[in-house]
Amino acid sequence: GAGVSQSPSNKVTEKGKDVELRCDPISGHTALYWYRQSLGQGLEFLIYFQGNSAPDKSGLPSDRFSAERTGGSVSTLTIQRTQQEDSAVYLCASSLRDSLYEQYFGPGTRLTVT
Amino acid sequence: AQKITQTQPGMFVQEKEAVTLDCTYDTSDPSYGLFWYKQPSSGEMIFLIYQGSYDQQNATEGRYSLNFQKARKSANLVISASQLGDSAMYFCAMREGLYNFNKFYFGSGTKLNVKP
Repeated sequence: GAGVSQSPSNKVTEKGKDVELRCDPISGHTALYWYRQSLGQGLEFLIYFQGNSAPDKSGLPSDRFSAERTGGSVSTLTIQRTQQEDSAVYLCASSLRDSLYEQYFGPGTRLTVT
Repeated sequence: AQKITQTQPGMFVQEKEAVTLDCTYDTSDPSYGLFWYKQPSSGEMIFLIYQGSYDQQNATEGRYSLNFQKARKSANLVISASQLGDSAMYFCAMREGLYNFNKFYFGSGTKLNVKP
């Protein structure tokens, strides 16, 4: 079956521009996560969606970052007025609501801000 | 304080030998889960193994086993009979509270190189 997909795979943008990153979770997975992985670092939690509940935005680094999830499926992470420090790989993961442990990750979007 | 600490930025191991990747964690929550993920150069994160805080026995999945020492708060990954395809980054992670899906912490990773 199809796994988690993300688009684009690579994005180069100029400082100050807005970008949108897309995540298509596995069908039926109600939980969706966004992480950021800077070069040589571990994963930094950004935001978590569970079903129709209000998302947990506690990991978003600034108000330039926002995310939405339409219809409990596809999610879009938006970064406004991008800065060079936003350059990273943005990973999306999904899991079943009652899955205690297994998150399925997408291939990530590599964002480069010039 | 760091929730997850991986002190080995890089490691080498000879093919067919066993290797241990270190991970220590910090939590005051009695309920937590510990995870190991593999990230090959392709970038995808691959789930390897899980250990619950109440599990009495060490988790095993094929060539992977998790050496869980609760008192020491360590959750080392042991890979037996290393293969060239095991060369990758390995991340230790913790979920605090068994049902707190959002509280997921990752370590900085260990880059494993398997030599032929």
